[in-house]
Amino acid sequence: DQQVKQNSPSLSVQEGRISILNCDYTNSMFDYFLWYKKYPAEGPTFLISISSIKDKNEDGRFTVFLNKSAKHLSLHIVPSQPGDSAVYFCAARRGGNQFYFGTGTSLTVIP
Amino acid sequence: EPEVTQTPSHQVTQMGQEVILRCVPISNHLYFYWYRQILGQKVEFLVSFYNNEISEKSEIFDDQFSVERPDGSNFTLKIRSTKLEDSAMYFCASRGGHTSYEQYFGPGTRLTVT
Repeated sequence: DQQVKQNSPSLSVQEGRISILNCDYTNSMFDYFLWYKKYPAEGPTFLISISSIKDKNEDGRFTVFLNKSAKHLSLHIVPSQPGDSAVYFCAARRGGNQFYFGTGTSLTVIP
Repeated sequence: EPEVTQTPSHQVTQMGQEVILRCVPISNHLYFYWYRQILGQKVEFLVSFYNNEISEKSEIFDDQFSVERPDGSNFTLKIRSTKLEDSAMYFCASRGGHTSYEQYFGPGTRLTVT
C-alpha cells in the first residue's frame, strides 16, 4: 500500500543549479508533510515541513511546495551544493501518530 | 546537540532467536517510534509509543514484536522469534511535543538474520 510515492529513484544536478525532488500521495487525509535527508550509515535527518493548510514553506536554500488538488509536493534546493548529495525521503502524517514514508530519491550534486 | 542513540549498530542472529534492539531517545521528547528499512526499500513505520503505551502500530508489527520503555530513558524493540525476512535496518526516532511533527532519528541497527 504505497500511499506516498517518489517516482524518481535518482537525480543528478550540477552544483549551483536547482534540484527539484517530487513526491505524490494518495491519501487526502494527510495533514502534514515532511522532508528528510539521509546519508549512508546514518538515520534520516529532518529538513523541512509543511502543513496541509499552506502551499509553500521556505527555509534558507530549501523550499517545499504543496499542491493539494494534485496531491503533490516538491522540494526545491537552490543553489545545490555537493554536500546536498544524499537520499531524500518525503513523509506524511494522517492525523494520529503514524507517518508514511516514500521510497526516497538519491540526489547527486556534481561539482 | 541532543541525539538519539541506538545499540548495537549491527546484530547478527540465527533464525528463531530473540533479539532486543535498544534506543535512547532525546530526553525531553514525548513520542517514540520504530521504523525499519529493508535494503533498497522504503522506510516503513512499525510502531509509535506515547505516554507509556503503544499509540499506533502497522500491520508489520505483529505478535512477534513488542516495545518497552522500561526505565524512562531506554526504548526497546524486541523480536521474539526472528525470521529471515526480519533482516533490515531498524531506526528508532523520537519527537518532542504535540505540535512538532519532525522526528529525530538514531543511526540505526542493522539486523541480519541467518
